[in-house]
Amino acid sequence: DAGVIQSPRHEVTEMGQEVTLRCKPISGHNSLFWYRQTMMRGLELLIYFNNNVPIDDSGMPEDRFSAKMPNASFSTLKIQPSEPRDSAVYFCASSLRQGGTEAFFGQGTRLTVV
Amino acid sequence: GENVEQHPSTLSVQEGDSAVIKCTYSDSASNYFPWYKQELGKGPQLIIDIRSNVGEKKDQRIAVTLNKTAKHFSLHITETQPEDSAVYFCAASSEGTYKYIFGTGTRLKVLA
Repeated sequence: DAGVIQSPRHEVTEMGQEVTLRCKPISGHNSLFWYRQTMMRGLELLIYFNNNVPIDDSGMPEDRFSAKMPNASFSTLKIQPSEPRDSAVYFCASSLRQGGTEAFFGQGTRLTVV
Repeated sequence: GENVEQHPSTLSVQEGDSAVIKCTYSDSASNYFPWYKQELGKGPQLIIDIRSNVGEKKDQRIAVTLNKTAKHFSLHITETQPEDSAVYFCAASSEGTYKYIFGTGTRLKVLA
């Protein structure tokens, strides 16, 4: 397996534009996580899916953020409208089951909102 | 709430010396403790993990120790090499929950 695949690797957009980040988890994994990494706040969990169902989205900063997982092999994180403070590296991770086992991370998407 | 504290935030060692990074967790239900290494421009990668039924685990130059009573776990890297330079994260998790609580990271620099 190629691991967790994220696209794009880099995204530069203007404030107010819609941004969509994409993730393909490892085949067979049923847990998917979206994290945001910044210098100030470290790794923050934004949302967690189990078997394609959103279980906890309490980490999503505000209504501008939304995430979907239409099937077991694809997830998106959307920001609309984007703001400069959304600039960060966004990671997708997947694991075989809930807790107690390794979470595999993608390479991340570096988002810059100008 | 659940919390993982990690120290130090930065660590510089001479090549060949040992490096130790320490973490403390708050949730007594935690039973899985992975350590991740993050190189520049990449996602975190698991380097070693330990479960609560084990006190120590070793993999070549890397070892992790766990003290459940004190809720401490540590990463030990011996004979450090320049390629060990990276940011290291500890985390705590438990069966039946989905949360991986990460520490704040340690930036390790190995000086040649």
